[in-house]
Amino acid sequence: IAGITQAPTSQILAAGRRMTLRCTQDMRHNAMYWYRQDLGLGLRLIHYSNTAGTTGKGEVPDGYSVSRANTDDFPLTLASAVPSQTSVYFCASSVEGGTTDTQYFGPGTRLTVL
Amino acid sequence: GQNIDQPTEMTATEGAIVQINCTYQTSGFNGLFWYQQHAGEAPTFLSYNVLDGLEEKGRFSSFLSRSKGYSYLLLKELQMKDSASYLCAVRDGDYKLSFGAGTTVTVRA
Repeated sequence: IAGITQAPTSQILAAGRRMTLRCTQDMRHNAMYWYRQDLGLGLRLIHYSNTAGTTGKGEVPDGYSVSRANTDDFPLTLASAVPSQTSVYFCASSVEGGTTDTQYFGPGTRLTVL
Repeated sequence: GQNIDQPTEMTATEGAIVQINCTYQTSGFNGLFWYQQHAGEAPTFLSYNVLDGLEEKGRFSSFLSRSKGYSYLLLKELQMKDSASYLCAVRDGDYKLSFGAGTTVTVRA
């Protein structure tokens, strides 16, 4: 069982380009999340999905979009990347959303926008 | 927004004990989590407290006082592999998880 996988591992991107970060989980968890982690700021929630077909905004959603077509996949898209989106992005999942269930994290994607 | 505070860095000697404090002010409370994160890796779950008191798991223990908005993570018999960042996270009244900036623990021989 792989758990949560993310792709790519790292990416350097020119400002203005479109980029999709991929996240797949094989645990049949209903809820999935995207966070960004910046030095001194900790993990901040970008978007979440409590079940396939639904999504919600987190603390820092601007400039990002998500979709949840099925249970396993939760891609994060940057429509037009800007340097302030340089960060490490973590995908996470939990059995259910809106509960006290533990969140489990993927290995992360390190994104640099120049 | 939520306010979660923890020290930035701590250093301790191998075999010693270290206590990482976390204070929080959130809109509602539905539990407090501690995660461990080694450099360049994903956070991994360590402990969960929702009621006041101490939860013990081997060398790691976590304490919660809801009335004081306070928790600590206690690491005993420190080993070199315990060098990592430790993240305090609080689930608020809307079940959103908010993280502190993390405490980097360095274990020295």
